[in-house]
Amino acid sequence: QQPVQSPQAVILREGEDAVINCSSSKALYSVHWYRQKHGEAPVFLMILLKGGEQKGHDKISASFNEKKQQSSLYLTASQLSYSGTYFCGTELGGSQGNLIFGKGTKLSVKP
Amino acid sequence: NAGVTQTPKFRILKIGQSMTLQCAQDMNHNYMYWYRQDPGMGLKLIYYSVGAGITDKGEVPNGYNVSRSTTEDFPLRLELAAPSQTSVYFCASSYYYRGSEQYFGPGTRLTVT
Repeated sequence: QQPVQSPQAVILREGEDAVINCSSSKALYSVHWYRQKHGEAPVFLMILLKGGEQKGHDKISASFNEKKQQSSLYLTASQLSYSGTYFCGTELGGSQGNLIFGKGTKLSVKP
Repeated sequence: NAGVTQTPKFRILKIGQSMTLQCAQDMNHNYMYWYRQDPGMGLKLIYYSVGAGITDKGEVPNGYNVSRSTTEDFPLRLELAAPSQTSVYFCASSYYYRGSEQYFGPGTRLTVT
């Protein structure tokens, strides 16, 4: 049930773009995205809900393909502050509500 | 608002010892969660609570216990600590159960030797 994230790691230069993917084998109710810097707690970025509603960050965008149970996080014109590990979390459809996190994607932005 | 607070920040336990990890939130959230994070494995749900007096098991509950006597507090108890419980523990809370942002505490780094 754990969602699969790709890539596992990516290195960027400042100003470059990146896409992080998250896929599930189960029907989803929502996809969450969090960023965690080393030694710190995860911080919420955004939620994408079944039906198209999106809540969250104004500088990072994401998509949710409900038919394919896939989500992508788009980081454009990356900044040094974007460095960290990005986790997607999925909530399954139906009555099950617990958030299940992927293993994470480590993003490093270099000057 | 302090948000979600956790104590202690670090702790070293000997095998077989017990301890309680404290978690508190001041956002009046009904929903609270305990996760553990091992390197490269993401976050795994240990226990969660949907309100005072109501708790339920998550994905990895063995070796842990919880209680929720107030809306604010959600302590996690480790009985008979084992090396496999070496991890970073995060407490979180949310306003709603589904489709809701989770707010995380700063974490407790626990080592069992």
